[in-house]
Amino acid sequence: NAGVTQTPKFQVLKTGQSMTLQCAQDMNHEYMSWYRQDPGMGLRLIHYSVGAGITDQGEVPNGYNVSRSTTEDFPLRLLSAAPSQTSVYFCASSYHRDLNTEAFFGQGTRLTVV
Amino acid sequence: KNQVEQSPQSLIILEGKNCTLQCNYTVSPFSNLRWYKQDTGRGPVSLTIMTFSENTKSNGRYTATLDADTKQSSLHITASQLSDSASYICVVSAFNDYKLSFGAGTTVTVRA
Repeated sequence: NAGVTQTPKFQVLKTGQSMTLQCAQDMNHEYMSWYRQDPGMGLRLIHYSVGAGITDQGEVPNGYNVSRSTTEDFPLRLLSAAPSQTSVYFCASSYHRDLNTEAFFGQGTRLTVV
Repeated sequence: KNQVEQSPQSLIILEGKNCTLQCNYTVSPFSNLRWYKQDTGRGPVSLTIMTFSENTKSNGRYTATLDADTKQSSLHITASQLSDSASYICVVSAFNDYKLSFGAGTTVTVRA
């Protein structure tokens, strides 16, 4: 049982490049989400999904796309990387979007855009 | 806007000593409050989850309290160990809302 797996762990991009951050969970969780973590700030929600085929925007969605073709996978795409997207990205999953269920986080992807 | 404020921003304690971290929130209507531990370079890991009806919950040497009336929570670390050095994040969720509101965290450094 691997939990939530994110790849890559580190990435450096040039401005304007695109890339996909991968996230997979093996707990059959309905709810998955992507956050970014910046110094001095709490985690901010980028996009989330309440089940396969369903996605929605969070607090800071601009510049990012997501899809959820399977229960297990929830990739995050950066369309045209900008220095403002330099951050640490976390994927999380929980059994149900409803609360009182524990959220499990991946190890994070540290992204630098130069 | 739902907000979660944590204090202090950082603290240093000697191994074996106790410490208490604070969390104030404005999230409404309140559903639950969570404390997470985040080691450097790792993802957050859940310590406790408390609902409206709970006012204290323990996980080993970690004890969280909740006062839903004053919208305050605290996390008490007893007999600190070097492995307690981490960032502690307070997270609050609103009833019938998927979104979690995160505090900026308190960085705890335990020194021998």
